[in-house]
Order: sequence, then C-alpha cells, then structure tokens
Amino acid sequence: AQSVAQPEDQVNVAEGNPLTVKCTYSVSGNPYLFWYVQYPNRGLQFLLKYITGDNLVKGSYGFEAEFNKSQTSFHLKKPSALVSDSALYFCAVRARNYGQNFVFGPGTRLSVLP
Amino acid sequence: DVKVTQSSRYLVKRTGEKVFLECVQDMDHENMFWYRQDPGLGLRLIYFSYDVKMKEKGDIPEGYSVSREKKERFSLILESASTNQTSMYLCASSPVGTPATNEKLFFGSGTQLSVL
Repeated sequence: AQSVAQPEDQVNVAEGNPLTVKCTYSVSGNPYLFWYVQYPNRGLQFLLKYITGDNLVKGSYGFEAEFNKSQTSFHLKKPSALVSDSALYFCAVRARNYGQNFVFGPGTRLSVLP
Repeated sequence: DVKVTQSSRYLVKRTGEKVFLECVQDMDHENMFWYRQDPGLGLRLIYFSYDVKMKEKGDIPEGYSVSREKKERFSLILESASTNQTSMYLCASSPVGTPATNEKLFFGSGTQLSVL
C-alpha cells in the first residue's frame, strides 16, 4: 500500500529565511512524487513533480524539492521565504506500476512571519 | 487554463437529507475524482471515474455514491447525510496518461459541507 507522511503539522519561518517542508513516502517500486499548495479558500494547486532523472526538481514560485531514494523522502525547499508563501502544503505519491490513484499526506501548514 | 467548477462553496444540510455535490471541468479530461479533506487527515479519495458511466471506489466510499452521465460532469451523492460527513469536499480532474507525460490533478475550489 502507498502512504505519505508529513511529520510536521506546522512550520514557522521568518521572511527571507530558507524553508523546508518534509515528506517521506512508502510505495512499491519507483514513485511519481508531487507537491501541491492550498491557499485559503482555494483548491489545491500543483507546485512540482518528480518523474525521473535529476533528484532536484524545480517548480512554481521559486520552490524546489529534493528526491532521496535511500531515505524515501521528497522535501520541499525554498531559499528565501515570502509572507505570501503561507499556505497548506501537501505531498502526494502515485505508484508507477499499478493503479492511478494519488495518495496525499496530511498536509503541513507553513507560516512565514514578517 | 483548466477550470474545475464546484457548484457550491458552502452548503448546510440536515441529517438524513439527500445531498448532491456537482463538479464540472472544461478541459475534456477523462479522469475525475472526489476527495474529502479533513484537518490532520489530508485528502482521502472517495470515488473516481475514468470514463463516462464508469466509477470505482476509492478509500472511503461508504455513505457516498457518484454519477457520471457526461464526460465533463461528475456528481457526488450523499444518500442520507450524517454529521460525520461534515467536511470539505474537493473535486479534481486529470487527463489520461502518466505523470511522465501530462497527468496531474486539477482541483476545484471545494465545497464546505456542514451537516446539522
């Protein structure tokens, strides 16, 4: 079975500082990995995805994520946080070899403080 | 841009009522999904559909049914609403394929359902 863990319910960071939102996953075989963001009163928006190749993936709004196969992790990062990055972030996995279901983590609320 | 439209942003219903949540997408996507979002639980898949008149159960289908009579429309039905179905409901669509090509989820803005 597929599963996604986001160990932190809440991450607080000062504006201008680097941010990391953590994600670990469990899936048979090689996964597709995703990050989505949800702003208040909005649906989820796609940020970035890992398919294959380079372990560092760049996405929208200056975000990037690093795939680490040995640690089964896919942490979201940004070098310099903005107040407008404050939102709910979801990591998701989709198995490569079976099914078409996306499995989401519980979400991490990011607060960027001015 | 892809647009996924959910008919209601907020909905208040009584226990035992039959509830219809409507979702329409305008990009001719084959796949459509209904998720439920609860704090601390993330998104859980209720039902999905890969084609017209086709449906498959997700992880938490109990108490729900769906209808897909047209490609662009996917309806979630609560046959007899209960208080534990109070939640945010998110509809999503995606084109057929794999994430290596173009498959990713496009979400509606959600319907916050309160069952009293």
